[in-house]
Amino acid sequence: DAGVIQSPRHEVTEMGQEVTLRCKPISGHNSLFWYRQTMMRGLELLIYFNNNVPIDDSGMPEDRFSAKMPNASFSTLKIQPSEPRDSAVYFCASSLVAELSYEQYFGPGTRLTVT
Amino acid sequence: AQSVTQLGSHVSVSEGALVLLRCNYSSSVPPYLFWYVQYPNQGLQLLLKYTSAATLVKGINGFEAEFKKSETSFHLTKPSAHMSDAAEYFCAVSDRNTDKLIFGTGTRLQVFP
Repeated sequence: DAGVIQSPRHEVTEMGQEVTLRCKPISGHNSLFWYRQTMMRGLELLIYFNNNVPIDDSGMPEDRFSAKMPNASFSTLKIQPSEPRDSAVYFCASSLVAELSYEQYFGPGTRLTVT
Repeated sequence: AQSVTQLGSHVSVSEGALVLLRCNYSSSVPPYLFWYVQYPNQGLQLLLKYTSAATLVKGINGFEAEFKKSETSFHLTKPSAHMSDAAEYFCAVSDRNTDKLIFGTGTRLQVFP
């Protein structure tokens, strides 16, 4: 299996621009998680989906952030408009939630820089 | 609610020395516990997991962790550190009510020659 795939790996954009991050989970997994990692705040869960349905978006910082999962093999995280404080590494992770199996598999991340 | 506490944001050891990274958890139900490793510029990778079977869990790269219910601990150890072990390590506990993992704040391991 190719693992969790994220694109782009690096994104540099100017303040005010729209940014879209993409994630392809591991085939057969039924949950997908979006995280943000910064030096100041560490690893933060933004939102997670189960069977393509958003379950908990309490970590989404504000309305500028939105996430979708139109099907089991694709999810997007959108920031519009972007701000310099959004600069971070964004990770997508997927898991097959079942008895004795809650581990998450992480993608390589997207490093976002907003200037 | 479940939580984890990692004592020590930075740990430094000499190559060949014992590695001990501490993790204490809080959980109202029998927990599932995990250790992840993050190498520079990479995502998190699962090292090992505890799911209520054997209390001593062996993982990849020679790491192991012992679940101690009486101490609510799940410390990560490796008998002999290698330079390639330098990374950040995260302890996590499952929230089986929500399918989330609750991560600790991480411990950065440095290995000196």
